[in-house]
Amino acid sequence: GAGVSQSPSNKVTEKGKDVELRCDPISGHTALYWYRQSLGQGLEFLIYFQGNSAPDKSGLPSDRFSAERTGGSVSTLTIQRTQQEDSAVYLCASSPQSGGVYTDTQYFGPGTRLTVL
Amino acid sequence: KQEVTQIPAALSVPEGENLVLNCSFTDSAIYNLQWFRQDPGKGLTSLLLIQSSQREQTSGRLNASLDKSSGRSTLYIAASQPGDSATYLCAVLTGANSKLTFGKGITLSVRP
Repeated sequence: GAGVSQSPSNKVTEKGKDVELRCDPISGHTALYWYRQSLGQGLEFLIYFQGNSAPDKSGLPSDRFSAERTGGSVSTLTIQRTQQEDSAVYLCASSPQSGGVYTDTQYFGPGTRLTVL
Repeated sequence: KQEVTQIPAALSVPEGENLVLNCSFTDSAIYNLQWFRQDPGKGLTSLLLIQSSQREQTSGRLNASLDKSSGRSTLYIAASQPGDSATYLCAVLTGANSKLTFGKGITLSVRP
């Protein structure tokens, strides 16, 4: 079946502009995650959506970052007034959370490479 | 705060060699530990998942072990092949929000 998809695959923007990154999770997966992968920094958790619960935003680095998930499916990560340090690969993952937390794994999309000039 | 460490950052081996990739974590209160593979420009692919109550998991030429009390895991790759060249990431699942904490990965190069 179809995996997690993300768009665009690459985005180049100028400093100060707003960008929107999209994630389409695997159908039926109730949990959705955003991560950021910066050069030399590893993968950093940003935000977590689970069903209709309030999202866990504890990883968002600043108030310029926001995310929403509409209808329990597609998610959009928005970065306002982009800065050069926002340049990174943004990865989305989803999981079914059907087998319990001990066995649950996350399925990752290919990522969006964001470059802020 | 959970921290995951993978050393070395890069490894180069000749084809056919058996190798071990190491991972350590600071907080033993984990639900599971996972090993992922990442190819250049691609997302992550889950290789093995070890539940906190388990000691090891095997898939083909891969074997992962977990010693939760000492905060360590190893990924063993038997008879390495050039196609195994990739970055291998270790991640632990902690907390009620199912948050994965990742190491920075080990970039493996298998020379023909």
